Amino acid sequence: KNEVEQSPQNLTAQEGEFITINCSYSVGISALHWLQQHPGGGIVSLFMLSSGKKKHGRLIATINIQEKHSSLHITASHPRDSAVYICAGRKGGATNKLIFGTGTLLAVQP
Amino acid sequence: EADIYQTPRYLVIGTGKKITLECSQTMGHDKMYWYQQDPGMELHLIHYSYGVNSTEKGDLSSESTVSRIRTEHFPLTLESARPSHTSQYLCASRSRDFDGYTFGSGTRLTVV
Repeated sequence: KNEVEQSPQNLTAQEGEFITINCSYSVGISALHWLQQHPGGGIVSLFMLSSGKKKHGRLIATINIQEKHSSLHITASHPRDSAVYICAGRKGGATNKLIFGTGTLLAVQP
Repeated sequence: EADIYQTPRYLVIGTGKKITLECSQTMGHDKMYWYQQDPGMELHLIHYSYGVNSTEKGDLSSESTVSRIRTEHFPLTLESARPSHTSQYLCASRSRDFDGYTFGSGTRLTVV
């Protein structure tokens, strides 16, 4: 079992739809990162969560520590949101290494 | 606006060649990381550094080596490139106090 698991792997939505991407993680993960990777390969860090909820524009990220589950929501989706969204768990300890999920490929159609 | 720079962006090179992938950051971050990502696959940590003269191997075995002589610079070297090294290599950094990571744009390496 992977330490960080994402679902769905692929998601197609119509412009304007509300989108949810889920991430489950295992014991030992101290914080959860949501990243966005565009086709060119570059990665942008969207959120870091260790508790609660964060919002930035149309993006909302939540985390439930007890259930070891996080969600990324996109409201009023737009074709420019099309990208791979990656959930990454940060291991505790000095290294703070990231353990990556396999990513969710999101395509928002006009 | 990128604060972490990777060069080259794309590289096609012949088998047996020595290559160095450059990564530089202007933020004074202590911790730097190299990740390898095959197409459609998750990123895997291959090297990391806590600071100058500190380097460690990551979770994924790699034939590459790294050095950290200056805080801002974390180059990755392949002494003899092979087709199995074809992949995308992403550099990242974070400061001691900041929880977020800053990623470079990546180097897409093809070894023919």
